[in-house]
Amino acid sequence: GESVGLHLPTLSVQEGDNSIINCAYSNSASDYFIWYKQESGKGPQFIIDIRSNMDKRQGQRVTVLLNKTVKHLSLQIAATQPGDSAVYFCAETFQGAQKLVFGQGTRLTINP
Amino acid sequence: ETGVTQTPRHLVMGMTNKKSLKCEQHLGHNAMYWYKQSAKKPLELMFVYSLEERVENNSVPSRFSPECPNSSHLFLHLHTLQPEDSALYLCASSQDPPNYGYTFGSGTRLTVV
Repeated sequence: GESVGLHLPTLSVQEGDNSIINCAYSNSASDYFIWYKQESGKGPQFIIDIRSNMDKRQGQRVTVLLNKTVKHLSLQIAATQPGDSAVYFCAETFQGAQKLVFGQGTRLTINP
Repeated sequence: ETGVTQTPRHLVMGMTNKKSLKCEQHLGHNAMYWYKQSAKKPLELMFVYSLEERVENNSVPSRFSPECPNSSHLFLHLHTLQPEDSALYLCASSQDPPNYGYTFGSGTRLTVV
C-alpha cells in the first residue's frame, strides 16, 4: 500500500505486506530528515533518519528514501506486523535551524 | 521510557483552575520544546527554549505560560483555559541545534471542562 502523506492521512495494509508512507517537504535547504512513529497514548518515537548526502538508508525492516530533486521522502516498512499500527510523521530541518518542521502524519493500520 | 518524563499523564481541569505541566530530561540536552497535538491537526509548536532562554513563542495565548528554570526542567503553567485547549501536550528535548532530532515525552492528555 502507498499513501501520499499530506493528502491521504490513512493507510491500511494486510499483515505481512510491505507499506510505503510518503512525505513531501517544501524547504529545499532542508538537509536532515527523520521519521517518527507515534503509538496510541505515547509520544512520537524516532524510527530512522537520513541526511541530504544520502538517498537511501536502511534499518531493521525500515528503509527511508530521499529524493531531493522532487523534495520527497518515503518510509518503507517491510513485512508489516500489528505493532506497526501507529501514526507516522516525517520531520525536516536544516543546518543551524533551532527546530524541526513536522508533516501532518499518516495513520497506518495493519489488518490481520 | 525515552529519557523525557512528563507529569501528569492525564489532567482534567475547569476553566477557572490553575495547573502546571512538568517535563524533565536527563539526556544532557540543552533545548526543550512544548508542542500541542489536537485531533486531526499537525503538531503545533508552542515554545522553544535554548539554554534556558525562550527563543520562540508561536503566538500562543497568554493563558499558557512556560518556565524553564534549568536545562533539565520545563514547565507549562495553565490558567483560565478554554475547552478548545483540550489536547495532548508534548514536551521534547534535543541538542541545540537539533542535529539528531528530538526525544519526546509521552505527553499530558489535558481535558478542559
